[in-house]
Amino acid sequence: EDKVVQSPLSLVVHEGDTVTLNCSYEVTNFRSLLWYKQEKKAPTFLFMLTSSGIEKKSGRLSSILDKKELSSILNITATQTGDSAIYLCASYSGAGSYQLTFGKGTKLSVIP
Amino acid sequence: DVKVTQSSRYLVKRTGEKVFLECVQDMDHENMFWYRQDPGLGLRLIYFSYDVKMKEKGDIPEGYSVSREKKERFSLILESASTNQTSMYLCASREIYSPLHFGNGTRLTVT
Repeated sequence: EDKVVQSPLSLVVHEGDTVTLNCSYEVTNFRSLLWYKQEKKAPTFLFMLTSSGIEKKSGRLSSILDKKELSSILNITATQTGDSAIYLCASYSGAGSYQLTFGKGTKLSVIP
Repeated sequence: DVKVTQSSRYLVKRTGEKVFLECVQDMDHENMFWYRQDPGLGLRLIYFSYDVKMKEKGDIPEGYSVSREKKERFSLILESASTNQTSMYLCASREIYSPLHFGNGTRLTVT
């Protein structure tokens, strides 16, 4: 059974801190790993990492895929209160797979 | 920008009622999905559709059915709502192997 595990489950930091969120995956025929940010409504897409694109960066957010360790990290530098959200990690797997397996998420709270 | 629209943000229904949740996407995506999201359990796939009139069960299809008569519309049906179906329901669409684009969700309460 495919599995995606995120840690920690929740995290509280102060504004300006740097945080690292972790995601490990056990999936058949791994294809890609995705990160989403969810505030009060729908998850919004952040990054997709594949074998040909193992590092992505956008502003203060960056993500790296480690295919040997079957894991990924999401880094947020100089955190702001607007970064408070649930961060979801998910993986596509299998030939012709339509399914995305999600982790349970990391709830990040950034306090002033 | 991709837009995925769910017809209701909040719904309150009674046990035993038939409930329809509607989802429409405007990007001509082949694939559409219904998830439910519960605290501590994360997102779980109920059903998905890879083309018009095609559907596949996800991880938790029991108590649900779906309909996809047109490419842009994917409906989730609760034949006889029960209290354990109280949840946040998220619709999503995508091109194959591309990121999912989610709607804003429908928070369903069954009393």
